Amino acid sequence: DTAVSQTPKYLVTQMGNDKSIKCEQNLGHDTMYWYKQDSKKFLKIMFSYNNKELIINETVPNRFSPKSPDKAHLNLHINSLELGDSAVYFCASSQRGGGASYNEQFFGPGTRLTVL
Amino acid sequence: AQTVTQSQPEMSVQEAETVTLSCTYDTSENNYYLFWYKQPPSRQMILVIRQEAYKQQNATENRFSVNFQKAAKSFSLKISDSQLGDTAMYFCAFMKQGAGAGKSTFGDGTTLTVKP
Repeated sequence: DTAVSQTPKYLVTQMGNDKSIKCEQNLGHDTMYWYKQDSKKFLKIMFSYNNKELIINETVPNRFSPKSPDKAHLNLHINSLELGDSAVYFCASSQRGGGASYNEQFFGPGTRLTVL
Repeated sequence: AQTVTQSQPEMSVQEAETVTLSCTYDTSENNYYLFWYKQPPSRQMILVIRQEAYKQQNATENRFSVNFQKAAKSFSLKISDSQLGDTAMYFCAFMKQGAGAGKSTFGDGTTLTVKP
């Protein structure tokens, strides 16, 4: 059973297009995240939602808009794609509270986005 | 704001030997969690080991152990009896506990190569 799934795994698109990446977790977690990993492998958090409520919003262009229809889903929509958006985007989930085991983040397989 | 520093961008070790990856962090928090994640070439992020800051005992998971020095804000990872499958990028991560929890700060990663 896949714990955190993302679709698509690969996305190649032209500059200026709008695209979405979907994320679903079946772990019953209450918190979900989006991370961006650039070409140098640096991993940076973008957004975090707890029970469908936005709790972390790092300095990310307005072209990026997360949407959480329910606790198990966190989608990422990107408008007017730019070359610099090319990266691997990871979704993750965790259960807040308790000891470290409750804060462990489970990651999806990543979506490699290439903007041409 | 928290920062996490991994001072070794790349390391290599012979199979069956022991290697230590360093991680230091800066925070004014007293309660937090620390994690080591592994990212093999498959791109999947996998939790290796976790430590709660209030616990003095160093965490151990089979061949993986940490040396947690809270006062020095150091959290190194020791891999014993290195195996070829340990070849991966390793990320150290910090997560605050309590109010505002959920945001992880990752180091820039250390690429470990295990040589036969």
